[in-house]
Amino acid sequence: GNSVTQMEGPVTLSEEAFLTINCTYTATGYPSLFWYVQYPGEGLQLLLKATKADDKGSNKGFEATYRKETTSFHLEKGSVQVSDSAVYFCALSDRGGADGLTFGKGTHLIIQP
Amino acid sequence: DTAVSQTPKYLVTQMGNDKSIKCEQNLGHDTMYWYKQDSKKFLKIMFSYNNKELIINETVPNRFSPKSPDKAHLNLHINSLELGDSAVYFCASSPSGGAYEQYFGPGTRLTVT
Repeated sequence: GNSVTQMEGPVTLSEEAFLTINCTYTATGYPSLFWYVQYPGEGLQLLLKATKADDKGSNKGFEATYRKETTSFHLEKGSVQVSDSAVYFCALSDRGGADGLTFGKGTHLIIQP
Repeated sequence: DTAVSQTPKYLVTQMGNDKSIKCEQNLGHDTMYWYKQDSKKFLKIMFSYNNKELIINETVPNRFSPKSPDKAHLNLHINSLELGDSAVYFCASSPSGGAYEQYFGPGTRLTVT
């Protein structure tokens, strides 16, 4: 079956530091890949997505590239802010989305001023 | 103009009771989902549903049942609640097709005492 593995936190960084959150996946088909963010007490918001190999998703300074050869979709940001503190989820969608999203366990990111 | 809404936001009830959580989306999407987020923030698909197909995650107890009165609504009914059902339940919707992102509701925190 499908699975997503991401680094578990908490990850604590200082403001303006460089961020990488690793994500690797296992899928039987050709999945679409997503990063979602969850702020405290809220639902999930899409951060970025990529639907085929070598696509790069980007939003709000965050980027991730769909790497089929390494089955990875690592999230990066060049300079984090305190407001980026949240839980980040890597996810995949396969089989036309009929099975829903398969999520990683989430990475709690804490940015200190 | 909330895209995906859920009611109630909080639900506290006793073991053995039957309860429902309502979900509505005004995005015109034809696929809706229910997810469960446990105390460790892990998200797992419970159901996906469109007007053609209901897909049930095999790990979901049959005490849980989705009911869709129309395309914009997917309610979750839970019979004979157990302590282990305590979690946050998220509704989501998307257009059909795995390349599309899902839009999540704000969540319903269920506490079973």
